[in-house]
Amino acid sequence: QKEVEQDPGPLSVPEGAIVSLNCTYSNSAFQYFMWYRQYSRKGPELLMYTYSSGNKEDGRFTAQVDKSSKYISLFIRDSQPSDSATYLCAMSSLDDSWGKLQFGAGTQVVVTP
Amino acid sequence: GAVVSQHPSRVICKSGTSVKIECRSLDFQATTMFWYRQFPKQSLMLMATSNEGSKATYEQGVEKDKFLINHASLTLSTLTVTSAHPEDSSFYICSASFERETQYFGPGTRLLVL
Repeated sequence: QKEVEQDPGPLSVPEGAIVSLNCTYSNSAFQYFMWYRQYSRKGPELLMYTYSSGNKEDGRFTAQVDKSSKYISLFIRDSQPSDSATYLCAMSSLDDSWGKLQFGAGTQVVVTP
Repeated sequence: GAVVSQHPSRVICKSGTSVKIECRSLDFQATTMFWYRQFPKQSLMLMATSNEGSKATYEQGVEKDKFLINHASLTLSTLTVTSAHPEDSSFYICSASFERETQYFGPGTRLLVL
């Protein structure tokens, strides 16, 4: 079993809809949680960074972390065709002094005009 | 802020040659840099972790003599693929972090070995 599980999709939504993405994990030591967006043939771009549990909002993006359920989510409001990309969740634990990340498989999102 | 660059963005080389890829943190000092490899439609695979001035730590299954990593300063790390072969063709991505904060990724280097 992988430490981080993420549905690879593809997830297709119409423009303007809310995109809902999530990851589950098994390692209770994870404390830092991130969402990255990766366009084809590009490096990942950091979208959201959360420490421990709670919600964080930044523009159209909302990240949620539920450590009791080992479940994290990313919501994208008012989705645009430019949001079409692969979204990767990533997390790390305090046990790792260098902050190595464990990634999900990535979810491919397609926003149709 | 938190910009990481990679050079070159793509490279084509003949089998048996060596290729060097540079990774630079442009607006912060990176205490740690990471090198990843990514195959099409797959997630990132960590190859090695490097701290400035010390030897890199390689992940299991990654040949340290084939993938030479140098982290000479707080803003520069290099990955050299030695005696490259077609199976080394891939997308190589570096990332940089400061004081174990989150990682910021470079744009990636596409390597094609003929």
